[in-house]
Amino acid sequence: GESVGLHLPTLSVQEGDNSIINCAYSNSASDYFIWYKQESGKGPQFIIDIRSNMDKRQGQRVTVLLNKTVKHLSLQIAATQPGDSAVYFCAERLEGFKTIFGAGTRLFVKA
Amino acid sequence: DAGVIQSPRHEVTEMGQEVTLRCKPISGHNSLFWYRQTMMRGLELLIYFNNNVPIDDSGMPEDRFSAKMPNASFSTLKIQPSEPRDSAVYFCASSLDRVGSYTFGSGTRLTVV
Repeated sequence: GESVGLHLPTLSVQEGDNSIINCAYSNSASDYFIWYKQESGKGPQFIIDIRSNMDKRQGQRVTVLLNKTVKHLSLQIAATQPGDSAVYFCAERLEGFKTIFGAGTRLFVKA
Repeated sequence: DAGVIQSPRHEVTEMGQEVTLRCKPISGHNSLFWYRQTMMRGLELLIYFNNNVPIDDSGMPEDRFSAKMPNASFSTLKIQPSEPRDSAVYFCASSLDRVGSYTFGSGTRLTVV
């Protein structure tokens, strides 16, 4: 899949370090948030989600934090690996069904 | 399950021609979404179906764009006539309900020359 390219925020980390990708969402009424990973030539792939009644949710090597006060979402990846290199999108579900995607952050993992 | 299947993977067409993109959602999923991805605008929701019925097409850019879902296992997105500014990657996604995460297909890269 072709992601937003040249103007994407970029995060470069060393293999084995932790990565933190941040996202600001727009609608205070959004009740569900998702992080997606998009590798070159592929569609976005679900990583982890969190509902608005939670502050934190953990998965395998990933943690999502939600701060509703400042409308901020973050994705933490522990022990980042070369296979984690991709574009990461946060998405918010507005009232009803519509899911809006952020612009994305490109993660580079240096071996 | 093979996931969401889109065809073709790549399409190159001349301006003015009709283009039809196809999508097969995951069996059992009752919601289907068409997105467009460009460098300038990122991922944009074009249209959403629930139980084969179009619910919201406010993201469809112009009357040149139309989408159908004749049954639970097939949807099309048609552009007629196509224009160079329609060049993008078009994704289809499906979900079990309206509220969960989506499963995306691999996309169709459309180039209109």
